[in-house]
Amino acid sequence: AQKITQTQPGMFVQEKEAVTLDCTYDTSDQSYGLFWYKQPSSGEMIFLIYQGSYDEQNATEGRYSLNFQKARKSANLVISASQLGDSAMYFCAMRELFTGTASKLTFGTGTRLQVTL
Amino acid sequence: GAVVSQHPSWVICKSGTSVKIECRSLDFQATTMFWYRQFPKQSLMLMATSNEGSKATYEQGVEKDKFLINHASLTLSTLTVTSAHPEDSSFYICSANRRRRQAVSGELFFGEGSRLTVL
Repeated sequence: AQKITQTQPGMFVQEKEAVTLDCTYDTSDQSYGLFWYKQPSSGEMIFLIYQGSYDEQNATEGRYSLNFQKARKSANLVISASQLGDSAMYFCAMRELFTGTASKLTFGTGTRLQVTL
Repeated sequence: GAVVSQHPSWVICKSGTSVKIECRSLDFQATTMFWYRQFPKQSLMLMATSNEGSKATYEQGVEKDKFLINHASLTLSTLTVTSAHPEDSSFYICSANRRRRQAVSGELFFGEGSRLTVL
């Protein structure tokens, strides 16, 4: 079974500063994918970044980067130059890959990020 | 990019009535769709996996007769909350896998969600 742990219920960061949102995972699968989603108050789930278990380099997407440490089973999200619009819930998720059938996402409990002036 | 659309976005109904929520993939075929439920300030919990042309696979603890799922075509899955009660009030959100491309990053697309309030 897969498990995602996000230990920070809430985080504050000042505008223009960087912030790290923690995510650790547990799985017995050899091939898996790690995702981060942003959920603003409107409820939609916005895909931010993806890291495959076999990817050697950390994923980056604009201001988002994923600090992937496979041995420690962590996949922290780093947001650089925070903006007020970054205030939202952030979910870490994972799924098994290459199963031959579609596999579901398992979500963490989320971290609420508040960007302040 | 790919879009998954849910309808309705908001629904308020009386206790005892049934409510149908639609999830459509607008520009790709989805052999599999997932239905999640999210209570306020909580994470998304998978309810069921909807498979085109076959029965849905429900997660443990989810009542099949309560939450009817139909995936009649490659672009549409529906979730019907039957005989809804106030405890069914929640945010329901669907996601869809692009056909035959399950492992590529970002290939799981989410709908906008449907907020159900049962009075």
